[in-house]
Amino acid sequence: TQLLEQSPQFLSIQEGENLTVYCNSSSVFSSLQWYRQEPGEGPVLLVTVVTGGEVKKLKRLTFQFGDARKDSSLHITAAQPGDTGLYLCAGAPLGNYQLIWGAGTKLIIKP
Amino acid sequence: DSGVTQTPKHLITATGQRVTLRCSPRSGDLSVYWYQQSLDQGLQFLIQYYNGEERAKGNILERFSAQQFPDLHSELNLSSLELGDSALYFCASSVRTGPYEQYFGPGTRLTVT
Repeated sequence: TQLLEQSPQFLSIQEGENLTVYCNSSSVFSSLQWYRQEPGEGPVLLVTVVTGGEVKKLKRLTFQFGDARKDSSLHITAAQPGDTGLYLCAGAPLGNYQLIWGAGTKLIIKP
Repeated sequence: DSGVTQTPKHLITATGQRVTLRCSPRSGDLSVYWYQQSLDQGLQFLIQYYNGEERAKGNILERFSAQQFPDLHSELNLSSLELGDSALYFCASSVRTGPYEQYFGPGTRLTVT
C-alpha cells in the first residue's frame, strides 16, 4: 500500500514564528503537489515539485522535494494568520498516474 | 474562483434518502474527480471519470455511484443515506488523466439527519 504520511497532524503557533511540515513515504514519486485548504472551501494548489532536491519558493513558503523523491517539506517563515488552513500533499507514485493524498496538517496561526 | 462549479452548496436530507450532487468542470478539462471529506479529516478519493469513462475507483461505497455526461459535467448519486455519510463532497477537474493539477469546486455540504 502506498501511503503519504504528513506530520504533524496539527500545529498551532504564534504569528511571526517559523514552522516546517513534512510529507513522507516509502515510495518514490514522479511528482508531488502541495495544496492549502481554508475552512469550508476546496483545496488550492500551491506548488508542484518534480525533480529530486528541487526547492521552490512562494513568498514566505519554501517547498523542498527530497533527493530520493520519497519525501517533501514545506517551511513557512514568519507565519501570519492568513496562513491558517489545512495543508495537503498529494503525490503520483512512479508508474501510477493516480494521485494519492496525505491526511493533511491542520495549521493555526494565532495573532 | 477555480472555474469548477458544484450544486447544491448545502443539502439536508433524512436517512434512507437518495441525493444527486452535480459538478461542472473547468472549461477544457476532461477529468473529473469526486472526494469525500468528513469533519476535520483529509480527502478521501471516491472516483474519477475521464472523457465520459470511469478511470479509477477509490473508497467508494456500493450505495454511491457517479457518471460523466457527454458535456463533461458529472453527477454523484448517494443512496440509502446514513448518518455517517454527512460530509463535504468535493469535485475536482484536471486537463486530462494523470498527476496534473486538480482544480477543486467549492464543495457540497451534505447533512443526513
